[in-house]
Amino acid sequence: DAGVTQSPTHLIKTRGQHVTLRCSPISGHKSVSWYQQVLGQGPQFIFQYYEKEERGRGNFPDRFSARQFPNYSSELNVNALLLGDSALYLCASSHFRDSPETQYFGPGTRLLVL
Amino acid sequence: DAKTTQPTSMDCAEGRAANLPCNHSTISGNEYVYWYRQIHSQGPQYIIHGLKNNETNEMASLIITEDRKSSTLILPHATLRDTAVYYCIVRTRQGGSEKLVFGKGMKLTVNP
Repeated sequence: DAGVTQSPTHLIKTRGQHVTLRCSPISGHKSVSWYQQVLGQGPQFIFQYYEKEERGRGNFPDRFSARQFPNYSSELNVNALLLGDSALYLCASSHFRDSPETQYFGPGTRLLVL
Repeated sequence: DAKTTQPTSMDCAEGRAANLPCNHSTISGNEYVYWYRQIHSQGPQYIIHGLKNNETNEMASLIITEDRKSSTLILPHATLRDTAVYYCIVRTRQGGSEKLVFGKGMKLTVNP
């Protein structure tokens, strides 16, 4: 079975640009969560989406946005990139309805902002 | 707002059991303990989770103390491929959202 897939694997942008990262969940999973991991730290929660609706948001500025599509894939958008946005961006999928819910992570997209 | 405390690092000899401790003294009665690991900047890999009882799967065992204030992840026969950062997480549900609150984790190094 295919796991969570993310694209692209690596990306280089310059300050002020915007970026779109993509995620496809495990088949049958309807929830997608996004996390940011800067070097040396654990992942930090950005968003969770379920059934195309935002269900939770972490402490990130409005430059960060996301959406979920009818096929449950998701995009994370970051506008006006800053050097500090350089990080590994992780997507995780889950059934959401399960209790407890277990999130499974993709390999991540490594973003470098110059 | 991580709710767990782990040692920064630990070494283990290949083939021996690795016992990874975690303190979560403020855990609530309905909160689960989850363990993930991350190998060299790959995505975190789910290992195991538990509420009250000890749990075992093909990867590891999880021992939770009776007062639930601490737990231990046990890798029964550590291999070099088990070298990774291990995260102990108390699963938090806020409103209708599930989020995992990661700390810095613990670096386990398995030595030959």
